[in-house]
Amino acid sequence: AQRVTQPEKLLSVFKGAPVELKCNYSYSGSPELFWYVQYSRQRLQLLLRHISRESIKGFTADLNKGETSFHLKKPFAQEEDSAMYYCALTGQGGSEKLVFGKGTKLTVNP
Amino acid sequence: EAGVTQSPTHLIKTRGQQATLRCSPISGHTSVYWYQQALGLGLQFLLWYDEGEERNRGNFPPRFSGRQFPNYSSELNVNALELEDSALYLCASSLRYPGNTIYFGEGSWLTVV
Repeated sequence: AQRVTQPEKLLSVFKGAPVELKCNYSYSGSPELFWYVQYSRQRLQLLLRHISRESIKGFTADLNKGETSFHLKKPFAQEEDSAMYYCALTGQGGSEKLVFGKGTKLTVNP
Repeated sequence: EAGVTQSPTHLIKTRGQQATLRCSPISGHTSVYWYQQALGLGLQFLLWYDEGEERNRGNFPPRFSGRQFPNYSSELNVNALELEDSALYLCASSLRYPGNTIYFGEGSWLTVV
């Protein structure tokens, strides 16, 4: 069964500090992992996906299959990063549903 | 280009009634997904339709059902409403598979009293 765990419901950091949002997953096959973000009064939207290996808005995430983790990191947090972040998982091949974690609310304080 | 649209925005029903929620995907998208976002429970996967067929279903009772029409729009039906069904119902769409980027609607708030 697919499972995504985000251990922190709330995370608060100061502007300019590094931030790491944790995501652990359980899946027996080859996973595809994503981070989705929801800013205040906006729709849920894709932030990044592991297969793209790209940095979006300064955020990166590395898939660690050994630790079954896909943590989201940013070296210097900005106030506009304050949002709800969801880690999500599907299987490669296109036949699996997309399952979300319960989300982490990030607050970046001035 | 229009995004995913959902209707109604808000819906109030009494226990035991039926609710119908509607979703129009982004033009060209064949897959439609439904998620329930109840307080404190995050996004719970409900249903996935592609090309008119149900592709996958979450752990919800059979009174949650839906369908996808030939124009790829979709509706979610919830029968015999219970108080615990009160939640935000999100619809999303993508090109064929959920490995593609999924685009979400703004959701329909269902309140069961």
